[in-house]
Amino acid sequence: KAGVTQTPRYLIKTRGQQVTLSCSPISGHRSVSWYQQTPGQGLQFLFEYFSETQRNKGNFPGRFSGRQFSNSRSEMNVSTLELGDSALYLCASSAGTGLGANVLTFGAGSRLTVL
Amino acid sequence: GENVEQHPSTLSVQEGDSAVIKCTYSDSASNYFPWYKQELGKGPQLIIDIRSNVGEKKDQRIAVTLNKTAKHFSLHITETQPEDSAVYFCANRFGANNLFFGTGTRLTVIP
Repeated sequence: KAGVTQTPRYLIKTRGQQVTLSCSPISGHRSVSWYQQTPGQGLQFLFEYFSETQRNKGNFPGRFSGRQFSNSRSEMNVSTLELGDSALYLCASSAGTGLGANVLTFGAGSRLTVL
Repeated sequence: GENVEQHPSTLSVQEGDSAVIKCTYSDSASNYFPWYKQELGKGPQLIIDIRSNVGEKKDQRIAVTLNKTAKHFSLHITETQPEDSAVYFCANRFGANNLFFGTGTRLTVIP
């Protein structure tokens, strides 16, 4: 069973640009969550999508957005990039319902550097 | 649920010794407590979890204990090996909310 796939793995952008990150969940998983990981703040929850709908949202500005497609693949977008957006962005998938709702499987992450 | 404190932030042990990492949480409605291990260049990987109706769970050298009264849960690793070196994260969840993570513990096992 393939794991969670995130693309791209590494990218470099400059301030003011925008970026789109992609996540393909485990086959059959309907929930995709996104987290931002930085050395100072640890793992911070961005948002969760379930069946193409945003189900939960963390405390991030509106520059951070996401969506989920009918095949459960998800994308997140960050507009008007700031230096502080440099981080590892992690995607995690889960069944989304029942006992499986709790068990997150993470991808390897997309490391974004903003110059 | 959002306030999860994890200690210590770094931990060094000799190979073969035990390691203990502790987390405290604030929301008494928390019902799920997983532990994740993150190796360099990889995403966090679930290593063990416990639900609020259980006090202890063990899987080979790894165990998790939960004290609901004191609102803390701990990860115990016995007979540590160099491959146990990684960053460990606790997390908790209450209701339908998402996981909230501790700040991580960097464990170094010295051969």
